[in-house]
Amino acid sequence: GAVVSQHPSRVICKSGTSVKIECRSLDFQATTMFWYRQFPKQSLMLMATSNEGSKATYEQGVEKDKFLINHASLTLSTLTVTSAHPEDSSFYICSAQVGSYEQYFGPGTRLTVT
Amino acid sequence: DAKTTQPTSMDCAEGRAANLPCNHSTISGNEYVYWYRQIHSQGPQYIIHGLKNNETNEMASLIITEDRKSSTLILPHATLRDTAVYYCCASGYSSASKIIFGSGTRLSIRP
Repeated sequence: GAVVSQHPSRVICKSGTSVKIECRSLDFQATTMFWYRQFPKQSLMLMATSNEGSKATYEQGVEKDKFLINHASLTLSTLTVTSAHPEDSSFYICSAQVGSYEQYFGPGTRLTVT
Repeated sequence: DAKTTQPTSMDCAEGRAANLPCNHSTISGNEYVYWYRQIHSQGPQYIIHGLKNNETNEMASLIITEDRKSSTLILPHATLRDTAVYYCCASGYSSASKIIFGSGTRLSIRP
């Protein structure tokens, strides 16, 4: 099946700094990529939908200026958590969609803000 | 996007069939039923999807009721590696169709 990678898998940063997470579709071109966040013992929460070359569509309650999404190519989307705070510590997961078919999920990135 | 309801947790004996129910009574005519599972600290893994016909693949079977208000995921011979949280989702079948995850069912397989 299609493979989606994320980098880094784990990151620890200090409060106030920014962190960039990459999501790549390795063997296919993704028409759309999605970003999710998951807190411990909770379900995945959709943050935003990203299409190559256009602005991301954010879900209600997600701050677009804090979670910057760039989708520069059909195989790469990045999520930058700006001015991170401890409450941003979470498991961030991306997914990539091929045409109208199912979404393939990345392995996730665990962010810890100290 | 239709809301889905699943039991919080279930358990099943190894080697037996695991039957995971899902209610999606508000599903619309163009929404598919998708099933994913998530093993601890990993990204979700696609299992199966369907519209109204029953579906089967190498991982599982999906049984959708005639009125499409509920479905059941069947893992025919559960193994310890099937221990995971299973999510039932309803989503359109088009580019940029969002998948909204419910709370899922935590399935435990006992030896």
